Amino acid sequence: GENVEQHPSTLSVQEGDSAVIKCTYSDSASNYFPWYKQELGKGPQLIIDIRSNVGEKKDQRIAVTLNKTAKHFSLHITETQPEDSAVYFCADSGAGSYQLTFGKGTKLSVIP
Amino acid sequence: SAVISQKPSRDICQRGTSLTIQCQVDSQVTMMFWYRQQPGQSLTLIATANQGSEATYESGFVIDKFPISRPNLTFSTLTVSNMSPEDSSIYLCSVELAGATDTQYFGPGTRLTVL
Repeated sequence: GENVEQHPSTLSVQEGDSAVIKCTYSDSASNYFPWYKQELGKGPQLIIDIRSNVGEKKDQRIAVTLNKTAKHFSLHITETQPEDSAVYFCADSGAGSYQLTFGKGTKLSVIP
Repeated sequence: SAVISQKPSRDICQRGTSLTIQCQVDSQVTMMFWYRQQPGQSLTLIATANQGSEATYESGFVIDKFPISRPNLTFSTLTVSNMSPEDSSIYLCSVELAGATDTQYFGPGTRLTVL
């Protein structure tokens, strides 16, 4: 993808509440959308991904939704826990391209 | 997924010197990549490490500054040459595993500080 915008840049939620992070992309050919979680001092960890032929994917407390028409995709974390506190990055890649374009990241803080 | 290791995990270097970072994977991979993450920033792709041939560099990155080797499928090195304080960053390798197209897994990173 050429450009990925991610919002918000920071997000604070109370433990047990939900958190939503949204990304928009510009390349209509983008077809793969991963989300990474990066804890302090560690490398990014792939937590969930979605491809363009699917509208939603869920893995326990984490879900990703994709709206191809509007060119946006979102990460939903339910029942947040303090260990969810980290920086989250979205990314996309185009058809036949291995190159990931990353958003600028969202720092999520879960307050006990 | 796979176990990806990087050496060193961190280093403090003097300007003008060079540092070589190693990346080792315990599984068969198709693609290996090197990224830079400046303090508090997102990830920027430096280059794709190609086995047996020259790496493919992204705009703004050149071989003289960031020479890369990949002698086999599971190992690669990135050298940061003639360092300046602006090179202070986290350097990350990532891999695409055989049979998992598009999906990239990242190593733990090398935190470099240049004085």
